[in-house]
Amino acid sequence: RKEVEQDPGPFNVPEGATVAFNCTYSNSASQSFFWYRQDCRKEPKLLMSVYSSGNEDGRFTAQLNRASQYISLLIRDSKLSDSATYLCVVNIGSGGGADGLTFGKGTHLIIQP
Amino acid sequence: EPEVTQTPSHQVTQMGQEVILRCVPISNHLYFYWYRQILGQKVEFLVSFYNNEISEKSEIFDDQFSVERPDGSNFTLKIRSTKLEDSAMYFCASSEDRAFNQPQHFGDGTRLSIL
Repeated sequence: RKEVEQDPGPFNVPEGATVAFNCTYSNSASQSFFWYRQDCRKEPKLLMSVYSSGNEDGRFTAQLNRASQYISLLIRDSKLSDSATYLCVVNIGSGGGADGLTFGKGTHLIIQP
Repeated sequence: EPEVTQTPSHQVTQMGQEVILRCVPISNHLYFYWYRQILGQKVEFLVSFYNNEISEKSEIFDDQFSVERPDGSNFTLKIRSTKLEDSAMYFCASSEDRAFNQPQHFGDGTRLSIL
């Protein structure tokens, strides 16, 4: 199973600022992409799927660059509640049925008041 | 919002003992998964399950592990003879369709501590 690489951070960002993370994946056959968020000692929660054309959900924008094999997440107008670890997740799609996801180690974000 | 539920939230077990972790996936979901996360490390895939059989498994999922769907709602992970290195957070997940098209939704996990 190939790797997903992320800058672990931490990113210390003042409230209201814009922050961006990147993630690279090594398997060019990867089929689908997601950003999950994980609070300390909690389960991963889906933040958004990432589509080839890029997509936005409120203050969050995700981009996919298949040629360079990287995924980005942009958070605008950051809130204190955005403090968490952001997990870049890839589905290689190798199985004939249910495919296991490959997780990055996560980028730790701290929003400061 | 429907959610995946897991029990127990914390399990403490002596090394060498068997442990069973339980999960109730979201009711209309057909694909089920187990992951683990050792403290301070990334989430790692263990096994996926569809149509009452294992669909895919990782190299972590050796002969000590087994999964079962004993009835229409529960999905279990059994570790036959636990080792110290099995200490981790174990997450169950489910998806409506295969993960290629659908995101997976995670339960809040079982913290397994092996003594």
